[in-house]
Amino acid sequence: DAGVIQSPRHEVTEMGQEVTLRCKPISGHNSLFWYRQTMMRGLELLIYFNNNVPIDDSGMPEDRFSAKMPNASFSTLKIQPSEPRDSAVYFCASTYRPGQPQHFGDGTRLSIL
Amino acid sequence: GQQLNQSPQSMFIQEGEDVSMNCTSSSIFNTWLWYKQDPGEGPVLLIALYKAGELTSNGRLTAQFGITRKDSFLNISASIPSDVGIYFCAGQLTGTASKLTFGTGTRLQVTL
Repeated sequence: DAGVIQSPRHEVTEMGQEVTLRCKPISGHNSLFWYRQTMMRGLELLIYFNNNVPIDDSGMPEDRFSAKMPNASFSTLKIQPSEPRDSAVYFCASTYRPGQPQHFGDGTRLSIL
Repeated sequence: GQQLNQSPQSMFIQEGEDVSMNCTSSSIFNTWLWYKQDPGEGPVLLIALYKAGELTSNGRLTAQFGITRKDSFLNISASIPSDVGIYFCAGQLTGTASKLTFGTGTRLQVTL
């Protein structure tokens, strides 16, 4: 069974550049979540979608961050412009309905120089 | 954001030993989850608990949902080298539509 698929696995770019992270949830899962993991702050929820609609984006750090889910099988998290403090591992997770355990992808390790 | 308190932060144990870690919160949750994260990978679900007092096993792993709904523990029996990793607890309130609050993590090292 295919799990949550994230791309790229690693991204290194210079500050000021636009970064786009991609996620394909598990087929049939209707809820999708974006998390950020750092040593200092642990795992933080950025935003989540239910049936492709953003439900709660209160965790998005600032306007430089945006997320979309144009269809049930694809989501993007975009940072523009990127800054060094955005360096972290970004995870996508999905679940087939709210309240059920979330399944995580292997993450994108982002380094902003 | 809010994080749950996990203890211990790290553990060094010998292969074959039993392991116990716990997670506490100042607020109640309706669901407790335990995840394991290996280096370079995402968290993998180990056990899900849905009812206060519930005790659930998954192989050598046993977890309990505290009666007060503010805590949970995870036990690993007869540890093996592949148990190495970071273990996270996560609490969820049904009414908040799937938002998980994660613990600070317990790093487990197993020596031969």
